[in-house]
Amino acid sequence: GQNIDQPTEMTATEGAIVQINCTYQTSGFNGLFWYQQHAGEAPTFLSYNVLDGLEEKGRFSSFLSRSKGYSYLLLKELQMKDSASYLCAVRDRIDDKLIFGTGTRLQVFP
Amino acid sequence: KAGVTQTPRYLIKTRGQQVTLSCSPISGHRSVSWYQQTPGQGLQFLFEYFSETQRNKGNFPGRFSGRQFSNSRSEMNVSTLELGDSALYLCASSRGLASSYNEQFFGPGTRLTVL
Repeated sequence: GQNIDQPTEMTATEGAIVQINCTYQTSGFNGLFWYQQHAGEAPTFLSYNVLDGLEEKGRFSSFLSRSKGYSYLLLKELQMKDSASYLCAVRDRIDDKLIFGTGTRLQVFP
Repeated sequence: KAGVTQTPRYLIKTRGQQVTLSCSPISGHRSVSWYQQTPGQGLQFLFEYFSETQRNKGNFPGRFSGRQFSNSRSEMNVSTLELGDSALYLCASSRGLASSYNEQFFGPGTRLTVL
């Protein structure tokens, strides 16, 4: 089966750095996605990792360790507009599905 | 190019009724996946259609069904609605199968309320 864990809520200050962790268990790992979802809106794609290491894209970076079943999303120079839910999703090769975690709600304060 | 569109955006039904939701994928995308999103459960996979065939199905009862047309548009049907079916239903399209690397683009969702 599959299981994905991420913190329910996090808070941070504008201009700071925040790291959102995601741990997963899956029978056949085939990639991990991070999505951002603002309240009342659709999720939008942030990053994709299939190999170990860090993928950097502007202020956002995503890290993956397949041996540890662990990923994190790093947000730098936080802005108020970064207040949103961040969803970790794992693609399972055996079940042929994309499984989402329940999401981490991030609140950025001035 | 136009994004994923879903209709209707909001829907109110009563228990026992049935409902059909529609999703039009991005032009050129052949895969459509459906998800149910609730505050407590997060995003849960319902099913994926590719080239008019159901490729995969989540752990939902048979009351939830879907289909895909030759133009890749997809519909989802829920029969005998229950209060617990109240949720945001999201559809996502991708160029190829969700099982290989293909970024999924989400529609705005249909907010279903069952009274």
